[in-house]
Amino acid sequence: DAGVTQSPTHLIKTRGQQVTLRCSPKSGHDTVSWYQQALGQGPQFIFQYYEEEERQRGNFPDRFSGHQFPNYSSELNVNALLLGDSALYLCASSLLGPGTGELFFGEGSRLTVL
Amino acid sequence: DAKTTQPPSMDCAEGRAANLPCNHSTISGNEYVYWYRQIHSQGPQYIIHGLKNNETNEMASLIITEDRKSSTLILPHATLRDTAVYYCIVRVLIQGAQKLVFGQGTRLTINP
Repeated sequence: DAGVTQSPTHLIKTRGQQVTLRCSPKSGHDTVSWYQQALGQGPQFIFQYYEEEERQRGNFPDRFSGHQFPNYSSELNVNALLLGDSALYLCASSLLGPGTGELFFGEGSRLTVL
Repeated sequence: DAKTTQPPSMDCAEGRAANLPCNHSTISGNEYVYWYRQIHSQGPQYIIHGLKNNETNEMASLIITEDRKSSTLILPHATLRDTAVYYCIVRVLIQGAQKLVFGQGTRLTINP
């Protein structure tokens, strides 16, 4: 049973460029959340996708956008990259609803913006 | 908008119980307390969660005070592999969508 998989694991971009990160949820999970973790900080919630729609959004600018596909996989897009966007981007999958299940996290995509 | 407060670091001897405290004095009645840990550069790993009652699983025990304003994660027999950053988290549920609000975490070091 594969867990949450993310790609790429590492990437380097320059300021102003655009990046797309990908996530495949754990088998059977239909909800994907994205988190940003700056160096030395705890993860910060970006947004959550369910049924191909953004259901919740954290305090991130519109440069951050996402998409969920019919097979539940998801993409995170960041436009006009800034140096401050350098971080570990984590994808987590879960089942939607007020249940008490846990979020399963992937290993993350480490983005460096030069 | 982190809802939890944890000590930044703690040390524990191998084989001893590690007790990690967390304050969450503004927690709402329907918000769960979750604990995750993160080993360097890896994704966070789920440990345990609870609402009101104490909980135990194969990894740890969670003790929640009666007023729910604080909790303690207990690793009963700490090993070197338990060295990690431990996050006490309040799970916020809005319109059916859950969001984990992470704080700064506690860096736990297990010493041989």
